[in-house]
Amino acid sequence: QITLKESGPTLVKPTQTLTLTCTFSGFSLITGGVGVGWIRQPPGKALEWLALIYWDDDKRYSPSLKSRLTITKDTSKNQVVLTVTNMDPVDTATYYCAHKTSGRYDLGWWGQGTLVTVSS
Amino acid sequence: QSVLTQPPSVSGAPGQRVTISCTGSSSNIGAGYDVHWYQQFPGTAPKLLIFGNTNRPSGVPDRFSGSKSGTSASLAISGLQAEDEADYYCQSYGSSLIGPYVVFGGGTKLTVL
Repeated sequence: QITLKESGPTLVKPTQTLTLTCTFSGFSLITGGVGVGWIRQPPGKALEWLALIYWDDDKRYSPSLKSRLTITKDTSKNQVVLTVTNMDPVDTATYYCAHKTSGRYDLGWWGQGTLVTVSS
Repeated sequence: QSVLTQPPSVSGAPGQRVTISCTGSSSNIGAGYDVHWYQQFPGTAPKLLIFGNTNRPSGVPDRFSGSKSGTSASLAISGLQAEDEADYYCQSYGSSLIGPYVVFGGGTKLTVL
């Protein structure tokens, strides 16, 4: 059974850097074709994809946020970390991590999400 | 503004059939990338509903079906039930100079009358 869980601060100040960790089980990020992505959703708004890291360490970022995002993986800990620099109140959102299955391009399994509020 | 365009809302009576459109362009759906659909209830994470344009994961009722043509895709829900009231999102990939990247639609709120 695949599970993912996001963790990190619930409140950050403007201009600070946000670091979120996705801890997963039920799959390995060394398996060919597998990936873990990050998606966020501001309150009452749509999903917005942020970043995706593949088993081979290939990384993809949202073109509009690329300069502020960094995604990394620690396969020994079954974790994927996302950092977002220069946080702003508009970055207030629920942040989800999700699993990409080998051979497919959907996000088949999602974490429960974690709400991050940006406020001074 | 989302890369893929969905109607903000659709509605239907129980038992009816509704469709939700997802319109893209030649740089995403029209480039040959598959479309996937997610269902989201308030306060919960999205759940995969349709993958690879037409495929249902195990456990998803066959009342849900997907299709794709050209630069657009559609999700159809037949035999509408009250429990189908939720937000629905389409997802595909887009092409860029830095390689393909994930794109979502703006979401559609389904109301069961």
